[in-house]
Amino acid sequence: GENVEQHPSTLSVQEGDSAVIKCTYSDSASNYFPWYKQELGKGPQLIIDIRSNVGEKKDQRIAVTLNKTAKHFSLHITETQPEDSAVYFCAAGYTGTASKLTFGTGTRLQVTL
Amino acid sequence: NAGVTQTPKFQVLKTGQSMTLQCAQDMNHEYMSWYRQDPGMGLRLIHYSVGAGITDQGEVPNGYNVSRSTTEDFPLRLLSAAPSQTSVYFCASRKQGRVHEQYFGPGTRLTVT
Repeated sequence: GENVEQHPSTLSVQEGDSAVIKCTYSDSASNYFPWYKQELGKGPQLIIDIRSNVGEKKDQRIAVTLNKTAKHFSLHITETQPEDSAVYFCAAGYTGTASKLTFGTGTRLQVTL
Repeated sequence: NAGVTQTPKFQVLKTGQSMTLQCAQDMNHEYMSWYRQDPGMGLRLIHYSVGAGITDQGEVPNGYNVSRSTTEDFPLRLLSAAPSQTSVYFCASRKQGRVHEQYFGPGTRLTVT
């Protein structure tokens, strides 16, 4: 089955700096790679995703890159703000009727003033 | 739409007790699933259902039962709680095949003493 590794487990950045979270996956058949943000006391919420036919996707201050050959993908947050503080999860899976996701272990991001 | 709702928010059980975690969605989603979230382990799939009357095991199904008698509800049953089942449980739902539109509930924090 799929195995997803995520690093780092904790990340502290100053407000305005950039943050990068990296994930690797094992199943070359995976073609869908979402990122979820989980705020304290809430369920995970999808913030951005990328499919295997695309190398990079950007949405305002967040971007995701995918390297299929190396089987890794990354989340980039620029100009970080205190409200970006949360736990971020990557996941890998495949689209289709029987699609499932395998999640990484999470990164706790702390944006300090 | 209320989205995905879960009850209770918190629960403390003694070893050997049984209980049911409730999950409901009002979005007419065929696919529903249960995850558990443990520190350093991310989200792990317990059971899932692709429609009423159909359930299947995920990555960590032991000690849990599910049923899907209606499209809206997907309860998770702990038959004989064990301390290893102390965790935060999340229910999620989506339309069949639309893995990119998965919605999570707010979670149930369960402690087994």
